[in-house]
Amino acid sequence: KNEVEQSPQNLTAQEGEFITINCSYSVGISALHWLQQHPGGGIVSLFMLSSGKKKHGRLIATINIQEKHSSLHITASHPRDSAVYICAVRSAFGNEKLTFGTGTRLTIIP
Amino acid sequence: DTGVSQDPRHKITKRGQNVTFRCDPISEHNRLYWYRQTLGQGPEFLTYFQNEAQLEKSRLLSDRFSAERPKGSFSTLEIQRTEQGDSAMYLCASSFGGALKDTQYFGPGTRLTVL
Repeated sequence: KNEVEQSPQNLTAQEGEFITINCSYSVGISALHWLQQHPGGGIVSLFMLSSGKKKHGRLIATINIQEKHSSLHITASHPRDSAVYICAVRSAFGNEKLTFGTGTRLTIIP
Repeated sequence: DTGVSQDPRHKITKRGQNVTFRCDPISEHNRLYWYRQTLGQGPEFLTYFQNEAQLEKSRLLSDRFSAERPKGSFSTLEIQRTEQGDSAMYLCASSFGGALKDTQYFGPGTRLTVL
């Protein structure tokens, strides 16, 4: 079992739909990151969370530390949101590396 | 552009050749990370530096791989005697360090193809 699991692996939706991507992890963490990766490989950090909820534009990220679960929501989805969304966690135990999920491929159809 | 840069962006090489990649982090960042991403998978940690010190190496980093950050600024990742299994995207990231500031900023990656 991977330390970081994402669901769904693939998601196709119509423009305007509300999108939810889930991330579950099995280790103690100090922070959780949501990342966006476009074709060609570039990765952009969307959020870093250690508790609660963050919002940036149409993106909302939440985390429940007790349940070891985080969600990324996209409101009023748009074709330009099409990308791979990756959840990554940083261990609570001193080392600095990120452990990544395998990503959710999101496709928004106009 | 003051982001993380990587060079080259693409590298095609024949099996058995040596390759070297370079990463230039954001200038005030003291931490630098190398990751590897194969097709359809999330990135995997390879190694990280705080300033010039290499503080952690993954078991993925076999003895054919070596990374340096000689002056605590740019870093190089060398792969000797490349194998087809080394084909991947090699990503570099940097961060300022410290729990509250430790958002990692990623470079565009170097895509390696070993023929």
